[in-house]
Amino acid sequence: AQTVTQSQPEMSVQEAETVTLSCTYDTSESNYYLFWYKQPPSRQMILVIRQEAYKQQNATENRFSVNFQKAAKSFSLKISDSQLGDTAMYFCAFMRNTNAGKSTFGDGTTLTVKP
Amino acid sequence: DTEVTQTPKHLVMGMTNKKSLKCEQHMGHRAMYWYKQKAKKPPELMFVYSYEKLSINESVPSRFSPECPNSSLLNLHLHALQPEDSALYLCASSGASLTNTGELFFGEGSRLTVL
Repeated sequence: AQTVTQSQPEMSVQEAETVTLSCTYDTSESNYYLFWYKQPPSRQMILVIRQEAYKQQNATENRFSVNFQKAAKSFSLKISDSQLGDTAMYFCAFMRNTNAGKSTFGDGTTLTVKP
Repeated sequence: DTEVTQTPKHLVMGMTNKKSLKCEQHMGHRAMYWYKQKAKKPPELMFVYSYEKLSINESVPSRFSPECPNSSLLNLHLHALQPEDSALYLCASSGASLTNTGELFFGEGSRLTVL
């Protein structure tokens, strides 16, 4: 069974600063997907960024980037130039390629961006 | 804008009531999901439908009964619920093929309170 661990229950950052959210996972699979989802207060959960395990290059989406270390089973999210709208709960998630129906979520990190 | 629509947004019911949650998507996705989410916790998978057939039931109590009338609609029928069933119920969809990206598209959720 896969496990996903987010060791930072809460974090805060000043507006315009950079923050990194950590995520580690455990799996015996060699091919899989990793995701970061964002859930703002009382709003829907949306995908922030996705990484395929077979790709060595770290994924980036505008101000969001990941540091994917496959051997270390680490998948951290870096948010640059933090904005007030980044305030949300962030979930790291794992999904096996051959079992598209089941994602394993971490416990989440609540990020507060302060003005 | 959400592409997965859930109704109702809020529902209060007694333990003897029968009610239903509804979910609709028009993205052509062939996998649809029900998740249960408690406050400040990650979503917990309940059911997965793939090509309108139930593919995963995470040992959910029979007082929750899913139904997939067609590829765009997903219902969750509720009967004889307990107060501990109070939670946010999230519907999600995704592509169902082995080459899909695995991203989950979530609705805004139905907040259920059982009295």
